[in-house]
Amino acid sequence: ETGVTQSPTHLIKTRGQQVTLRCSSQSGHNTVSWYQQALGQGPQFIFQYYREEENGRGNFPPRFSGLQFPNYSSELNVNALELDDSALYLCASSLAPGFSGANVLTFGAGSRLTVL
Amino acid sequence: GQNIDQPTEMTATEGAIVQINCTYQTSGFNGLFWYQQHAGEAPTFLSYNVLDGLEEKGRFSSFLSRSKGYSYLLLKELQMKDSASYLCAVRNAGNMLTFGGGTRLMVKP
Repeated sequence: ETGVTQSPTHLIKTRGQQVTLRCSSQSGHNTVSWYQQALGQGPQFIFQYYREEENGRGNFPPRFSGLQFPNYSSELNVNALELDDSALYLCASSLAPGFSGANVLTFGAGSRLTVL
Repeated sequence: GQNIDQPTEMTATEGAIVQINCTYQTSGFNGLFWYQQHAGEAPTFLSYNVLDGLEEKGRFSSFLSRSKGYSYLLLKELQMKDSASYLCAVRNAGNMLTFGGGTRLMVKP
């Protein structure tokens, strides 16, 4: 089975620009979540997508938005980039919310964004 | 809201045993996870507890006490490759995880 893949792996933007990050979920998974991980810290939940709709959101402003496509892949868009947006952006896929048992999130290796 | 605390750094010797503690205060609880993350890599799943008690998986064990809001990850027979960050995370009903800040473990020869 294929794991979670993310692109690009690294990118550099300047303040005020916009960025799109992409994620392909693990085979058999239909739910995608995005997390932001600042250097030396734990991941922070941004939002989750299920059935192509946002299914939960963390404490992030509206300039963070996303999409999920019929093949369960997903995009994270960030507008009006700020210096503090510099971080590793992790995508994770899983089975549907409410699925019984562990329903482990499988993470991709992330996209490292640097905002100058 | 959710608050999860774990030590920032720990050091241990190759071959020894180390216990990484995690305490949490949450508004909803639907399981606790431990992940391992090597620098620059994806977090990888180690263990899951939803009921009180100990779950053992090879050299790794994880314990949960829901009444105390407490978990620990026990690593036995430490190897150099165990040097990594260990992330404690609490799940809510919607399968969303709240992570602690991570514990960076350094294993020395």
